[in-house]
This record gives sequence, structure tokens and C-alpha cells, in this order.
Amino acid sequence: EAQVTQNPRYLITVTGKKLTVTCSQNMNHEYMSWYRQDPGLGLRQIYYSMNVEVTDKGDVPEGYKVSRKEKRNFPLILESPSPNQTSLYFCASSPEADSRGYEQYFGPGTRLTVT
Amino acid sequence: AQSVTQLDSHVSVSEGTPVLLRCNYSSSYSPSLFWYVQHPNKGLQLLLKYTSAATLVKGINGFEAEFKKSETSFHLTKPSAHMSDAAEYFCVVSGGSARQLTFGSGTQLTVLP
Repeated sequence: EAQVTQNPRYLITVTGKKLTVTCSQNMNHEYMSWYRQDPGLGLRQIYYSMNVEVTDKGDVPEGYKVSRKEKRNFPLILESPSPNQTSLYFCASSPEADSRGYEQYFGPGTRLTVT
Repeated sequence: AQSVTQLDSHVSVSEGTPVLLRCNYSSSYSPSLFWYVQHPNKGLQLLLKYTSAATLVKGINGFEAEFKKSETSFHLTKPSAHMSDAAEYFCVVSGGSARQLTFGSGTQLTVLP
């Protein structure tokens, strides 16, 4: 089944404890992206990647890191999480590096709470 | 630069009546525009997209949207609401060289019996 998977789905952690949220897609998509969703703000793009070893900042990159060492994986790293990073996170992928005309396929989401 | 404004944060309709969810956009380039739907505790699903072909776009579940360049709008409509349409809807614009997607803040649709 073609899909985007994220792990973990739920995570409660403490301030400053490094964490990684994994994202994997099995559709051989070029483009991958991370978003956070907060009430009343919609989804805001954190980072995106147009191909292996090619990443770029979205609208809200502060406090996050990403890497794209393999085409299928795009982990999101929080080196020192803070409470303002409590949010619902979505990973998405799209067939082409130029994502403008293409549908994004979303993962199920990861609900992160930082205390 | 690009932006999206969803003009209503909440819309309530009765089952069987028309749905109108409003979206205005701003883009320095010829944009691609999308509507996504998010049901409670679910990921996002594409309803429809506009990518510079026909200005009236038909999507899944009876939804459609019309791209109006002169009004910079991309409103989502459905002739007759169903209870299963209750969800949050996001208008999205994509354009320019940055490969970024910009989401609107969402419209929560409630369908009353």
C-alpha cells in the first residue's frame, strides 16, 4: 500500500531532551516536507526537501533540523525541544521535486507534547 | 511571497443545503491552488486542485471550486451538504521558485441534521 508513515504517533517529552520523529514514504517520491499544525494557524511548513541531500527552510524552521540521506526517509529532529514546540506534526511527500502542481500525500500525524 | 486567507473560520449548514467555503490568495507567480479536507483525528486528503487548466475544477465527493484570477479567489462549493462532510477544510497555494506551500488557517464545517 502506498503510504507515508510517521513514528511515533504520540510523544510526551521534557524540555531539552533531544528527539527524532521519523517519516518514511514508499512511493519513490522526490519531494518531502514537514508541517506543524496549531489551532487557528492551519499548517505551517517547517522544512522541505526536493531530493536526497537537498533541504530548505520553510516558514517556521527555528528549533528544528532535518536530513535527507535516503530518498524514502526524512526525519525531523528537535535538538532541544521547548514547550512552544508542542504541536501536531505532519510529514508529506509529492511525486516531483517541483511540488507546485502535485498532490501532497500526508502521513497520519505525530502529536508532540513538551512539558 | 504568497499568502492564503480563508474568510470564515467556522461555517454551519443544514444537511441538504449548499456549502460555500471562501478562499482568497495572493501570489507573485501563477499559482497552483488546492483544497484539502481533514476529518477529526485524521491526516489531510486532497479534494481538488487547480494548475492553470480549466478554471472550474471538480473534485471528490461532489465538491468543486472556481479559480477567479480577477478576484484572486478559489472558493469551494457543494450543492448539497452531507453529514459526512463535517470536517476542517484547508485552502493551499503553491507557486514561485521556493517550492513552498502555504496553507490557510482552515474552515471548520459543521453540518446540522
